Amino acid sequence: AQTVTQSQPEMSVQEAETVTLSCTYDTSESDYYLFWYKQPPSRQMILVIRQEAYKQQNATENRFSVNFQKAAKSFSLKISDSQLGDAAMYFCAYKGYGGSQGNLIFGKGTKLSVKP
Amino acid sequence: DVKVTQSSRYLVKRTGEKVFLECVQDMDHENMFWYRQDPGLGLRLIYFSYDVKMKEKGDIPEGYSVSREKKERFSLILESASTNQTSMYLCASSPPDRKNQPQHFGDGTRLSIL
Repeated sequence: AQTVTQSQPEMSVQEAETVTLSCTYDTSESDYYLFWYKQPPSRQMILVIRQEAYKQQNATENRFSVNFQKAAKSFSLKISDSQLGDAAMYFCAYKGYGGSQGNLIFGKGTKLSVKP
Repeated sequence: DVKVTQSSRYLVKRTGEKVFLECVQDMDHENMFWYRQDPGLGLRLIYFSYDVKMKEKGDIPEGYSVSREKKERFSLILESASTNQTSMYLCASSPPDRKNQPQHFGDGTRLSIL
């Protein structure tokens, strides 16, 4: 069975600085998708960024980028120029390519605090 | 934008009550999901449905059931609520798995069982 591990329960970053959130996963599949979701306090969970395993190029969405290391089964999220609005729980998630109807497997989350 | 609406943001019920949590999506998605979110445990899948009247157990289905009579609506039922079911419940929907699309989430229902 696939597993997703986020080893940092909490992280803190100074406003305008860069922070990297770690995620590792375990799978025997060769094709899959990886996602980072953001859940602000008392607000809806939203997609931050996604990565297809067959793509070698790391995904980028504005200030958010990933470092995808397929051999190491690592999928870290880098947030550049951190803003106060980035404070949230961040969840890493895995979806198998042939998985059961799009089921996601989530890590336990990393709580990110942004200091002004 | 996809809209996933959960009927209540906060709900307080008593032990032994039958509790219904409702979820509606407006994007004609085939797949719908119910998760439970607890601190330090992340999101755990309770049930999912990939079509009307179809349902599949997730990782923690015990004590729960679901109903999907219409494509847009997916209900989570706590047959006899217990205090250990106090939690945040999240509903999500997505297109069929052939499309690389993420799940879209509702705002969540924070349920307290007294």
